[in-house]
Amino acid sequence: DVKVTQSSRYLVKRTGEKVFLECVQDMDHENMFWYRQDPGLGLRLIYFSYDVKMKEKGDIPEGYSVSREKKERFSLILESASTNQTSMYLCASSLTGTGAYEQYFGPGTRLTVT
Amino acid sequence: GENVEQHPSTLSVQEGDSAVIKCTYSDSASNYFPWYKQELGKRPQLIIDIRSNVGEKKDQRIAVTLNKTAKHFSLHITETQPEDSAVYFCAAEGSGAGSYQLTFGKGTKLSVIP
Repeated sequence: DVKVTQSSRYLVKRTGEKVFLECVQDMDHENMFWYRQDPGLGLRLIYFSYDVKMKEKGDIPEGYSVSREKKERFSLILESASTNQTSMYLCASSLTGTGAYEQYFGPGTRLTVT
Repeated sequence: GENVEQHPSTLSVQEGDSAVIKCTYSDSASNYFPWYKQELGKRPQLIIDIRSNVGEKKDQRIAVTLNKTAKHFSLHITETQPEDSAVYFCAAEGSGAGSYQLTFGKGTKLSVIP
């Protein structure tokens, strides 16, 4: 059974702080993803990674960076948090192959920036 | 990149009736179309998916149909039950360098009225 975990369920940070969100998967998946979810906007891709130390920008990468030093762990970094980054952040992982496969999601981190 | 439109944004049905959610996509090279269900406060989970080599797939009360020519696909839920109440997201895979990733629709909030 695939398990994707995220470091925090709820997080409150101040404007300008550096924020780290961590995601760990235990199924040896090559691909990992970070999304933010906002009401009425669905799931928007921030960054994804298809291998260790590899990353690709998604649709809304501005203000974010990522790190993947180990296959099972994918971190999202907010260099200087702003109030418009208040959101639900979801991590996901999937196998790789010819095209896309099912993505398994973590429970989400609700980040509030004040 | 891929663009996915999903309709309607909200849907209310009486228990026992059918529900249909429709999505269109823009990239004719997309070959994988999953549907995710997200219950309140929970993570999105795959409920059914379809690849472009078939036109329809069923799993008990849910079915997905795909029309590649028209670039649209639909989710059908028959004999709806209160536990079907959730937000449903359609998605389509990217193409080229982004073929591992999914582009999601904005979601449909389904309410099943007992």
